Amino acid sequence: AQSVAQPEDQVNVAEGNPLTVKCTYSVSGNPYLFWYVQYPNRGLQFLLKYITGDNLVKGSYGFEAEFNKSQTSFHLKKPSALVSDSALYFCAVRNSGYSTLTFGKGTMLLVSP
Amino acid sequence: DTGVSQDPRHKITKRGQNVTFRCDPISEHNRLYWYRQTLGQGPEFLTYFQNEAQLEKSRLLSDRFSAERPKGSFSTLEIQRTEQGDSAMYLCASSPRFDRGLNEKLFFGSGTQLSVL
Repeated sequence: AQSVAQPEDQVNVAEGNPLTVKCTYSVSGNPYLFWYVQYPNRGLQFLLKYITGDNLVKGSYGFEAEFNKSQTSFHLKKPSALVSDSALYFCAVRNSGYSTLTFGKGTMLLVSP
Repeated sequence: DTGVSQDPRHKITKRGQNVTFRCDPISEHNRLYWYRQTLGQGPEFLTYFQNEAQLEKSRLLSDRFSAERPKGSFSTLEIQRTEQGDSAMYLCASSPRFDRGLNEKLFFGSGTQLSVL
């Protein structure tokens, strides 16, 4: 079975400060890892993914994520937060041979002006 | 690319009634997924299709739930004899054909919010 843990229900950060949203995963075999963002009244949108290669993955809107195999983590980061980054963020995982994604419960990011 | 379309956006029904939702995926995508999302939780996988074939169903999908994708294009999700526990957001997503080495991601619709009274 595969699973994702997002230990923080909410992350608060001031605009201009760096942000980190945490994610750890459990999967057999090689993980495929994803971050999605959900804005109010809109569908989930893809942010970035890790399939293989460089452990630091860059994605949309200036976000990046760092894959750490030994810690089974895939934390989402951004050097300088914007108020418009406020949204619900989901980490997801599947293994290389399995077609369906398993999502975490989500972390609400609130960026204050 | 017109995106994934779901209809209706909202559905209110009484317990015991049947409901049907529709999903129109992105036209060139041959994989279609249904997920369910409740408040405070991430999306939970229900089922997926490759073209018209239903390849996997979650244990979450009771016998009251049925999904079809008759021509490999749009899909319907039907819930029979609805229960209050069925109240949730039902999400549809599509993706291009899986091909090892390609970057696969899901494109989600805005969902159908079901309220069972």
